[in-house]
Amino acid sequence: SQKIEQNSEALNIQEGKTATLTCNYTNYSPAYLQWYRQDPGRGPVFLLLIRENEKEKRKERLKVTFDTTLKQSLFHITASQPADSATYLCALEGGYNKLIFGAGTRLAVHP
Amino acid sequence: DAGVTQSPTHLIKTRGQQVTLRCSPISGHKSVSWYQQVLGQGPQFIFQYYEKEERGRGNFPDRFSARQFPNYSSELNVNALLLGDSALYLCASSLEHSGFLSYNEQFFGPGTRLTVL
Repeated sequence: SQKIEQNSEALNIQEGKTATLTCNYTNYSPAYLQWYRQDPGRGPVFLLLIRENEKEKRKERLKVTFDTTLKQSLFHITASQPADSATYLCALEGGYNKLIFGAGTRLAVHP
Repeated sequence: DAGVTQSPTHLIKTRGQQVTLRCSPISGHKSVSWYQQVLGQGPQFIFQYYEKEERGRGNFPDRFSARQFPNYSSELNVNALLLGDSALYLCASSLEHSGFLSYNEQFFGPGTRLTVL
């Protein structure tokens, strides 16, 4: 079955540094991959989508890469801020509106 | 514009009871999906409805059921509650349903926190 792995340990970084989060998947070849942000007690908020034929995508301070050979996506936040502290979820499409989520990585940006 | 709304916000039930959770999608959105998120895990797909028909079902027991109404709002029902059903239940809506080559962004609601005692 499809499986998504994200770093289970929290990532702690200093303000201004670049945060890099990893998403690995197995047993699947998704047409696209997405990243979401989730704050405690709230629903996930869509950040970026990258398609299988795209190597990299950027949105403001966010950058996502997608390596279909390695079956891996990297999510970068440059010039990180304490407000970026949240859990970041990786999700693959699994059919009609079905998203398969990883467990998420908690990011803490310290002043 | 109002986003996806869910009710109630919080709910406490006891084992064996039944619960109904409600979701109102963004105006104009025809597709609604339900997810269960247990603490410390990512959301897990339960159902997807499009134009009032079930289009997808996740690996959940028959105790879970849902429906979509003509106004595209949706209800999720869970019977014979178990302690393990305690979770955040998320509803997501999108304009259309997504397929292999197309994508319609899903917008999530704030969720309903269900606690089963």
